[in-house]
Amino acid sequence: SQQGEEDPQALSIQEGENATMNCSYKTSINNLQWYRQNSGRGLVHLILIRSNEREKHSGRLRVTLDTSKKSSSLLITASRAADTASYFCATGGGGGNKLTFGTGTQLKVEL
Amino acid sequence: NAGVTQTPKFRVLKTGQSMTLLCAQDMNHEYMYWYRQDPGMGLRLIHYSVGEGTTAKGEVPDGYNVSRLKKQNFLLGLESAAPSQTSVYFCASSYSRESAPHRFGPGTRLTVT
Repeated sequence: SQQGEEDPQALSIQEGENATMNCSYKTSINNLQWYRQNSGRGLVHLILIRSNEREKHSGRLRVTLDTSKKSSSLLITASRAADTASYFCATGGGGGNKLTFGTGTQLKVEL
Repeated sequence: NAGVTQTPKFRVLKTGQSMTLLCAQDMNHEYMYWYRQDPGMGLRLIHYSVGEGTTAKGEVPDGYNVSRLKKQNFLLGLESAAPSQTSVYFCASSYSRESAPHRFGPGTRLTVT
């Protein structure tokens, strides 16, 4: 079964706006990662946040983690058309560095 | 530095046929993984390996076998393909520590008719 559920399933915004995606998970975790997938391509790692961290920044990305609510959010600021992709959260902690993925959010950034 | 490569990119099989998907990585990663991606389901782990000669089952291992004879290669086999195995298959690899990011291959699109 999927560990995470992502919300919303699809998001359409204008270039320059901010995009926020949410991820909820079910069991205790060691870390939570976000990946991007362009249509028909493999996934690319964006950012990682460990279970003892609450917020992380990388360029235009901001990730928060609330372990008490078992949830995380990914904020992309000042979005660009090139940010159009699917975004997945993935939780780790089961040994072997295995990841359990959420169902993804499809982001479309329009000019 | 090619990263993670997968062969083939596309394949169509008839029910009952067999095939092997090949994954290769050139980053000296210890860990390797096979995932499948179905519409609306995200990625699900099929099998994984924490080192040469070792394999372990993931979330959805039934109908698949794997082998890791060389550190850089991870093979996924379908002995008797079924329509339910129509999917996009992704290989990934990582360093041998918890929280190491996965590096993904470009995927293999498999259709079983």
